[in-house]
Amino acid sequence: EAQVTQNPRYLITVTGKKLTVTCSQNMNHEYMSWYRQDPGLGLRQIYYSMNVEVTDKGDVPEGYKVSRKEKRNFPLILESPSPNQTSLYFCASTLTPEDSPLHFGNGTRLTVT
Amino acid sequence: QKEVEQNSGPLSVPEGAIASLNCTYSDRGSQSFFWYRQYSGKSPELIMFIYSNGDKEDGRFTAQLNKASQYVSLLIRDSQPSDSATYLCAVKGSWSSYKLIFGSGTRLLVRP
Repeated sequence: EAQVTQNPRYLITVTGKKLTVTCSQNMNHEYMSWYRQDPGLGLRQIYYSMNVEVTDKGDVPEGYKVSRKEKRNFPLILESPSPNQTSLYFCASTLTPEDSPLHFGNGTRLTVT
Repeated sequence: QKEVEQNSGPLSVPEGAIASLNCTYSDRGSQSFFWYRQYSGKSPELIMFIYSNGDKEDGRFTAQLNKASQYVSLLIRDSQPSDSATYLCAVKGSWSSYKLIFGSGTRLLVRP
């Protein structure tokens, strides 16, 4: 089954404790992206990647890191999480972002205390 | 001014009615427009996309684009309670092929 898999689904952590949210897709998509969703603000792009070893900042990259060492994986890293990073996170992928739909993962609800 | 604006709602319509969802955008050069549906606690899923001025129909859904007025709308005919969800408008910016900007969404409630 074609899908984007995110893990974990739920995560509660404390300020400053490094964490990684994994994202993997099995559709051979070149484009992958991370979004955060907050009430009233919609989906905001954090980082995106056009291909292996090619990443770029989205609208809200501060406090996040990403890497794209393999085509299928695009992990999101929070080196020192803070409470303002409490949010719902989505990973998405697509073949061609200009005219193809984004396939979203199931989301990761992160709480930083 | 937000780059992509939607009324947050909720928009409440009776079952069987036409639901009209609107979205305005600020980048006059935008080329691609997408409507996603998101059920509570779930991930967004694509409903329709449109590139050209005018209407595009797919089943009970019609997307309408007016580039001169910088708005895109989604009409849902014969609304069903299962259509109750948040509808997200997304616009591909003209200055980057890779940047998709989402509105904050309109919550639709279809009353049985």
